Amino acid sequence: DAGVIQSPRHEVTEMGQEVTLRCKPISGHDYLFWYRQTMMRGLELLIYFNNNVPIDDSGMPEDRFSAKMPNASFSTLKIQPSEPRDSAVYFCASRGTGGGYTFGSGTRLTVV
Amino acid sequence: GENVEQHPSTLSVQEGDSAVIKCTYSDSASNYFPWYKQELGKRPQLIIDIRSNVGEKKDQRIAVTLNKTAKHFSLHITETQPEDSAVYFCAARNSGYSTLTFGKGTMLLVSP
Repeated sequence: DAGVIQSPRHEVTEMGQEVTLRCKPISGHDYLFWYRQTMMRGLELLIYFNNNVPIDDSGMPEDRFSAKMPNASFSTLKIQPSEPRDSAVYFCASRGTGGGYTFGSGTRLTVV
Repeated sequence: GENVEQHPSTLSVQEGDSAVIKCTYSDSASNYFPWYKQELGKRPQLIIDIRSNVGEKKDQRIAVTLNKTAKHFSLHITETQPEDSAVYFCAARNSGYSTLTFGKGTMLLVSP
């Protein structure tokens, strides 16, 4: 298994532009989580899905953030419009029945 | 909701010494406690976990202990090596929920 796959690894964009982050979970995992990591706030849960259905999006900071999971093998996190304070590392993680999360390699987003 | 406190925030040890990182949690119904290691620029990776029906678990140089009464759990690393240098995160999960609550992390530096 290739693990959780995220793309792109790095993204530099200008303020106001739309940014789309992508994630492919481990096959068979029925939970998918989007986290944001910064030095100040650590690992913050943004949203999670169970069987492709969004369960809790209370961590999504603003309406500028949206996430979808159209099928069991793909999810996106979109920021529109992006702002400099959105700069962070965004991790996707998936979980099966075992309990532990497997994280992707993350997307380092820089908004200038 | 769950709240996880982690101490210390930074820890410096000499190679060969032991390192201990401590976490407390607030939700007495939490029953799953994983530890993640995150090397610089990389993803968090699960290194060991413990469930509430067990008081201690070991895996080579790493051990985790759990005190349910006091609601705290600890990570013990013996015979530390420079490659143990990383940020370590503790987490907790209530069986009624699907998400992990993470501590803020401990940066461990092992000097040769």
